[in-house]
Amino acid sequence: QLQLQESGPGLVKPSETLSLTCTVSGGSISSSSYYWGWIRQPPGKGLEWIGSIYYSGSTYYNPSLKSRVTISVDTSKNQFSLKLSSVTAADTAVYYCASFDSSSSVWGQGTLVTVSS
Amino acid sequence: EIVLTQSPATLSLSPGERATLSCRASQSVSSYLAWYQQKPGQAPRLLIYDASNRATGIPARFSGSGSGTDFTLTISSLEPEDFAVYYCQQRSNWPDTFGQGTRLEIK
Repeated sequence: QLQLQESGPGLVKPSETLSLTCTVSGGSISSSSYYWGWIRQPPGKGLEWIGSIYYSGSTYYNPSLKSRVTISVDTSKNQFSLKLSSVTAADTAVYYCASFDSSSSVWGQGTLVTVSS
Repeated sequence: EIVLTQSPATLSLSPGERATLSCRASQSVSSYLAWYQQKPGQAPRLLIYDASNRATGIPARFSGSGSGTDFTLTISSLEPEDFAVYYCQQRSNWPDTFGQGTRLEIK
């Protein structure tokens, strides 16, 4: 059974880069069955799609964040990662990683990242 | 970017009642629409994919319908554990987008 777990700093300073990693277990990140995504949720608000990456390495980013986002895969560690540069307080949110295939979706538990000096 | 508009924002009902939630897309998403349930402090859980297919383990009281731009999630008889926030998501066009959510609360 596929499981995902986010990891990374819970506090990031303004103007710095937020870096998170999602570790996948119970399945291969190289599988052509899935695509992998990052979603965030500011406190008390709704869900925002950040971006996705396919097994081929193709990436798709939310246009509103595209200039600041990089998503990459490390197949040797069965992980994928998110980097968000030049963060501000508006980037404070719970960040989720998730997998998607034709009929299912598995999410990590989420990790709160606070942007503050 | 496809905008999804959910209505109502809040729905107040009693256990045993029928709940009808709506999701409207700014352009056609065919049947590439999913519904999620989110409870406080938890990640979203997939309920319905491709507009009308229940995900594995989802009770039969949950059903989805619609295609194109108008979609409905119906909960036939509310159980106490169904009171939560519900989101629709489209996977038709990049980027994937979510609706703003409908809060289903106990009346």
